[in-house]
Amino acid sequence: QVQLQESGPGLVKPSETLSLTCAVSGGSISSSDWWTWVRQPPGKGLQWIGEMYHSGSTNYNPSLKSRVTISVDKSKNQFSLKLSSVTAADTAVYYCARVFRGCDWGQGTQVTVAS
Amino acid sequence: QAVVTQEPSLTVSPGGTVTLTCGSSTGAVTSGHYPYWFQQKPGQAPRTLIYDTSNKHSWTPARFSGSLLGGKAALTLSGAQPEDEAEYYCFLSYGGAWVFGGGTKLTVL
Repeated sequence: QVQLQESGPGLVKPSETLSLTCAVSGGSISSSDWWTWVRQPPGKGLQWIGEMYHSGSTNYNPSLKSRVTISVDKSKNQFSLKLSSVTAADTAVYYCARVFRGCDWGQGTQVTVAS
Repeated sequence: QAVVTQEPSLTVSPGGTVTLTCGSSTGAVTSGHYPYWFQQKPGQAPRTLIYDTSNKHSWTPARFSGSLLGGKAALTLSGAQPEDEAEYYCFLSYGGAWVFGGGTKLTVL
């Protein structure tokens, strides 16, 4: 089982870029998995943000596609999320996950968008 | 974007059996949607119960099972326990995009 740990600022100002990193342990970021970001606004359900394969191929939620970038750093065995032009609606718990024939989750990190 | 539908809430008696379903606005759910089922308790990260329709993780209790039923993905809980009270989410693949269902709040009462 792969372990994942999110990290990044807990507070981001409106219009700025949210940046999070997910450290992967117990497995290689270069394996045949989809490295995924999911978020959950307060009191609401889960929303798929997007995913990246180690080859660099990406898929994004159409509703967020214009603002999202997911990248992989093989040297650090981690992957990252950048979400630009954030508003209060982007306030959520952000989770990273490994998806392929199963799904391992990080514990999540709270990000609040406020001035 | 497809819409994935789940029952908003269900109640099951302790020891009883309940089936949660997951439908797609695009038509029948098939194995090609690689259905996942997650359990989430308040304040916790989701936990994966079922993947690829019916496969279990090592930690998935035997009382949970996944299947395809009447054009939907289904999660059946047989012999409900108080600790099964939680929110349950399904997750479907649409060939390059994934969509979560809105979740089912399961009460064991």
